[in-house]
Amino acid sequence: ETGVTQTPRHLVMGMTNKKSLKCEQHLGHNAMYWYKQSAKKPLELMFVYSLEERVENNSVPSRFSPECPNSSHLFLHLHTLQPEDSALYLCASSPDIKDTQYFGPGTRLTVL
Amino acid sequence: AQKVTQAQTEISVVEKEDVTLDCVYETRDTTYYLFWYKQPPSGELVFLIRRNSFDEQNEISGRYSWNFQKSTSSFNFTITASQVVDSAVYFCALSVLYSGGGADGLTFGKGTHLIIQP
Repeated sequence: ETGVTQTPRHLVMGMTNKKSLKCEQHLGHNAMYWYKQSAKKPLELMFVYSLEERVENNSVPSRFSPECPNSSHLFLHLHTLQPEDSALYLCASSPDIKDTQYFGPGTRLTVL
Repeated sequence: AQKVTQAQTEISVVEKEDVTLDCVYETRDTTYYLFWYKQPPSGELVFLIRRNSFDEQNEISGRYSWNFQKSTSSFNFTITASQVVDSAVYFCALSVLYSGGGADGLTFGKGTHLIIQP
C-alpha cells in the first residue's frame, strides 16, 4: 500500500461504545495529524504529532484520545461520544511539521 | 489567529467554461504557506498546490492556474476549459511558519463546491 490509509472507512457506534480509528502512512513522514470535518463547520485540526510526540491539541474534548506509537501509525480512541461528534475524520501526514500534508480517505463516523 | 474565507459556497458552470475560485486569507505573520486542496465525492483531500508567502509568482499547471496577490491577501484558483471530472469541493488553506522551525496546522476555508455540468 502507498500513501495514507485509514480504517475503518465507515463506523457506526452508540454513545456508550468504545472504538478506535486507525491511520497508517507509508510515506516515511515524521508528522501526523487528525482533522474533523462536519457538515456545519470547516475542517478543524484536532491533534498534531511530530516524531511521535504530541505538539498540538486544539481544545479537543477528552472523549477523543490520540495515540502515536511510532511515526507510521496514529490512532484516535473514542469513548462516550455524542451525536454531534458524527463527522468525517481525516488523517494526514507530512515529511516535517512545516511541510505539505497528505491526507487519507477518512473515516465516516456516525454516533447514534 | 488565522482565517481563510472562501465566499463562494457553490459554483455551477457548463463544461468547457473557465471558472475562478476565490480565496482571501488573514494573518499577522509574515511567513506562511497557502494551499489548495481538492475533495472529490470519495472524501480524500488531494493536494494541488503550495505557495510560500515570499513567492508571488503566479503558477500554471495544465488547465489549473493560481494567482497569489499579497496586496489583497488573495490566492485565487482558476480552472480553464473545465471538465466534469473537476467537480469537487475545493479548499483553500493557510499554515503559519514560526521562526523556531515549528508551524501551525492547516487553517481551512469552508470550501467551494464546484459543479461542472456536461
